[in-house]
Amino acid sequence: GESVGLHLPTLSVQEGDNSIINCAYSNSASDYFIWYKQESGKGPQFIIDIRSNMDKRQGQRVTVLLNKTVKHLSLQIAATQPGDSAVYFCAENDGTSYGKLTFGQGTILTVHP
Amino acid sequence: NAGVTQTPKFRILKIGQSMTLQCTQDMNHNYMYWYRQDPGMGLKLIYYSVGAGITDKGEVPNGYNVSRSTTEDFPLRLELAAPSQTSVYFCASSYLGEETQYFGPGTRLLVL
Repeated sequence: GESVGLHLPTLSVQEGDNSIINCAYSNSASDYFIWYKQESGKGPQFIIDIRSNMDKRQGQRVTVLLNKTVKHLSLQIAATQPGDSAVYFCAENDGTSYGKLTFGQGTILTVHP
Repeated sequence: NAGVTQTPKFRILKIGQSMTLQCTQDMNHNYMYWYRQDPGMGLKLIYYSVGAGITDKGEVPNGYNVSRSTTEDFPLRLELAAPSQTSVYFCASSYLGEETQYFGPGTRLLVL
């Protein structure tokens, strides 16, 4: 079946470094992608999104890159801070009308002071 | 706005018991969703609703039921709890269904 998966289940970085979290998707019909951050004991929190007609989108300290050719999505976090430590999920919308999201497994980001 | 709220935060059930997980949103969102998240995994869609009176199954609906009598509320019902339903349950909502989903804090359920 269609799925969204992550290449790296864990990522450890030093404070101040840039972090890159990757995600592969298999549904070529997906037209909307979201990155969520989930801190321990909390619900997923929206970080940034991108539509399939874009290759790059920037937010505050975060950038999402979309490569439709290889069905790859990445989240870049600049100057990573200890507060960025969390599980990061990518999710895709397959273009249906009810906004169904398919989530990947998640990447654990640990930022060391 | 309080956003998406869920109750209870934590519950222990015995096998065969039933319960209702409550979800309320005050953002006037049309679309609401229930997900479950097993340890170390992503979220899986249980049920969703595109508006009051309209619900449909997601990826893992077995063992659950939902109703949507108002725009604000979307309760999830477990009729006969099983250990396989031990999980964290998240409710989410969105305005147009294609935009960002906003999540509640979750309900942790343990079935023994």
